[in-house]
Amino acid sequence: DGGITQSPKYLFRKEGQNVTLSCEQNLNHDAMYWYRQDPGQGLRLIYYSQIVNDFQKGDIAEGYSVSREKKESFPLTVTSAQKNPTAFYLCASSIGVTNSPLHFGNGTRLTVT
Amino acid sequence: AQSVTQLDSQVPVFEEAPVELRCNYSSSVSVYLFWYVQYPNQGLQLLLKYLSGSTLVKGINGFEAEFNKSQTSFHLRKPSVHISDTAEYFCAVSYSGGGADGLTFGKGTHLIIQP
Repeated sequence: DGGITQSPKYLFRKEGQNVTLSCEQNLNHDAMYWYRQDPGQGLRLIYYSQIVNDFQKGDIAEGYSVSREKKESFPLTVTSAQKNPTAFYLCASSIGVTNSPLHFGNGTRLTVT
Repeated sequence: AQSVTQLDSQVPVFEEAPVELRCNYSSSVSVYLFWYVQYPNQGLQLLLKYLSGSTLVKGINGFEAEFNKSQTSFHLRKPSVHISDTAEYFCAVSYSGGGADGLTFGKGTHLIIQP
């Protein structure tokens, strides 16, 4: 079955450390996205990519970085510059046109202490 | 900028009762509308979508939604809820001619089914 795999499901880090969240899809989708979810805040867009080797900042990109070296993969790095990194992170993909729905992974819950 | 408003952060309902979850969006010429469901510690699953055509859209798990252009609304309904419907529900919108940044989401409504 096609889908999106996020790993790990739970991640714990000390403050000041960078951490990378994995996202892989086998749906052959062109577009991929990273969202952050906090209680009562809905989903906020961090970064998105429409094509390999190209990506754009979303609404809350500060303190995060991404790469898109392969169509299937869109890893997210949470850097030490992110002031409040503890959150639930969701990766999604779509075929890339404005009326296409997003397909989501099961998320990574990051806790930074 | 596009926006989506889900007025109710929580909706408690008794099992087998009907439910309506409200969603309003900022007006635009042409919109595409979606409802997603999220169970605890999981990603979002698509319930239904409105792209064009009939304003009444049927989705999975017995849910349906009605697109009302004059009221800029896309409310989600189910005639009889089950305990397994307890989840967070998100309304989302994208606009024809909009950018490539995916969907704009509401803040979610937590549906709580009481036995």
